[in-house]
Parts: sequence; structure tokens; C-alpha cells
Amino acid sequence: AQSVAQPEDQVNVAEGNPLTVKCTYSVSGNPYLFWYVQYPNRGLQFLLKYITGDNLVKGSYGFEAEFNKSQTSFHLKKPTALVSDSALYFCAVRDQTGANNLFFGTGTRLTVIP
Amino acid sequence: NAGVMQNPRHLVRRRGQEARLRCSPMKGHSHVYWYRQLPEEGLKFMVYLQKENIIDESGMPKERFSAEFPKEGPSILRIQQVVRGDSAAYFCASSQSRINRGLGGYTFGSGTRLTVV
Repeated sequence: AQSVAQPEDQVNVAEGNPLTVKCTYSVSGNPYLFWYVQYPNRGLQFLLKYITGDNLVKGSYGFEAEFNKSQTSFHLKKPTALVSDSALYFCAVRDQTGANNLFFGTGTRLTVIP
Repeated sequence: NAGVMQNPRHLVRRRGQEARLRCSPMKGHSHVYWYRQLPEEGLKFMVYLQKENIIDESGMPKERFSAEFPKEGPSILRIQQVVRGDSAAYFCASSQSRINRGLGGYTFGSGTRLTVV
């Protein structure tokens, strides 16, 4: 069965520092992996996805994520955090066996401190 | 070009009442999905609909919950005889086609926050 784990409920980082939001997954076969962001009172917004190809995926707003098959991880990263990056981040996975549903993690609240 | 519109934004119901959540997909989108965000949990898929058809309702509770997407008008998620455990944020998403589903082709609404008192 598919599952996603985001081990940190809360991540605090100083503005200007690099940030990492962790995600590990479990899925049958090769995964499709996604990151979404939710700003206060807004719907989820797509950030980036990994389907195949390069393990380092670049997405919106300067974010990137690295797919690591051996560690079954897909951590979200950004070299320089901005206060405006403060939001709730969700990792999601979908397998390739036919079911079309996304399975989401519980979310990580990122706070960038000025 | 308005995005996915959900209303109401906040809905308060007493136990035993009915809750109706509405979702108007983006213009040109004919696929609608409903997700539930429970406290301390992630988003969970509930149901996938196309116009007048339920495609996948594997995530819908067997009782009290129903969804429709009529030929005209918004998609409706209906919860009958609400209980405290139904309190959550419910998100609707839409996409142009099934091909885009799950591949970042979703557009999400802002959600409806249901509180059952």
C-alpha cells in the first residue's frame, strides 16, 4: 500500500538560510512524487513533481527536490529561504499500477524567521 | 479566469443536520475530485467525478456521504446527519482530463471548513 511520511510537523529556519522539508514514501513499483504548498486560506498549489529522469527536480518559487530511490526519499529544498515561504507543505505519491489517486503526507509547517 | 470556486468557505452545522459543499471547477475542466483534510492527518482522496458520472468513490465513507456533478451547475458533496468527526477541511480540485490526474494537473479550491457542533 502507498504511504507518505513527513517526519517533521514543524520546521523553523532563519531567512536567508537553506531549508529542507523531509519526505519518505512507500509505493509498489516506481513512484510519481509531488510537492504541494498551502498558504493560509488558500487551496493547495502544485510546486513540483518527479516522474522519471533526473533525480533533482526544479519547481516553482525556487524550490527543488531530490529523488533518492535507495532511501525512498523526496526531500524538498531551497537554497535561500524567504519569509514568504512560510506555509504548509505536503508531499504526495502516486504509483504507476493504475490507481490514479494521490496519497498525501500529514504536512510540514515551515516558518521562516526574519 | 476564475480558479476552482468552493463555497461556503466556512460552514457550521449541528450534529444531525445536513452539510452541502459546493465546488465549481475551472472553466474547461470536466473532472472534479474531492479530498478531506482531517486534523493531524494528510489529505485523503474521497471521490472523483466527471459530468453526471462518479468515476471513483473508493475513498467515500459508505454511509451519509454522497457526491454529484450534474450536467449543469457545481459539484456537490453532501453529508447527511453530520457528526463531530466530520469536522474537517474539504478540498475540491479539478482537471481538464484524466490524463492530467495525479500528474500536477490539478487546480485546487480554497476549501470549505466544516465545523460540527
